[in-house]
Amino acid sequence: KAGVTQTPRYLIKTRGQQVTLSCSPISGHRSVSWYQQTPGQGLQFLFEYFSETQRNKGNFPGRFSGRQFSNSRSEMNVSTLELGDSALYLCASSLDSLVNGYTFGSGTRLTVV
Amino acid sequence: AQSVTQPDIHITVSEGASLELRCNYSYGATPYLFWYVQSPGQGLQLLLKYFSGDTLVQGIKGFEAEFKRSQSSFNLRKPSVHWSDAAEYFCAVGSSNQGGKLIFGQGTELSVKP
Repeated sequence: KAGVTQTPRYLIKTRGQQVTLSCSPISGHRSVSWYQQTPGQGLQFLFEYFSETQRNKGNFPGRFSGRQFSNSRSEMNVSTLELGDSALYLCASSLDSLVNGYTFGSGTRLTVV
Repeated sequence: AQSVTQPDIHITVSEGASLELRCNYSYGATPYLFWYVQSPGQGLQLLLKYFSGDTLVQGIKGFEAEFKRSQSSFNLRKPSVHWSDAAEYFCAVGSSNQGGKLIFGQGTELSVKP
């Protein structure tokens, strides 16, 4: 059974650009969550999608957005990149909720220069 | 507001020694509690979870955790540490009305001495 797949693994972007990260959940999983991990702020929840609908959102500016497709694959987009957006972005999937646990991908390492 | 505190930023133990990683949470209702482990450059792996029932929870890799409501704690334990356990450990809390949102502690980095 394939795990959660995140692409790309590494990304370097310039300030002001935008970026799209992709997450393919485990087959059959309908919930996808995104987290940002930085040395200073730790792991912070960005948003969660369930059956193509955003179910919850963290305290991030509107530059951070996401979506989920009918096959449960999810993308997150960050526009007008800032140096502080450099982080490891983690995606996690679950059948439907915390009760079933969330499986994390290996993440996308974004560096903004 | 929900919060999770891991008081120990870094712990060093000798291989074969016992381990206890502390986690305290602040949450009004019955929390869903988790421990995850992260190796360098990798994602998070779920060690164990607690929702209800028996307050002593068994997980993978020989780990266990005990939920103590009176102390708002969910400490992780292992009787004998192996060198491969060296990693960063995160405690997290969620709730049934927050969907998939988890609040994570700052993490505890574990080093294992030979």
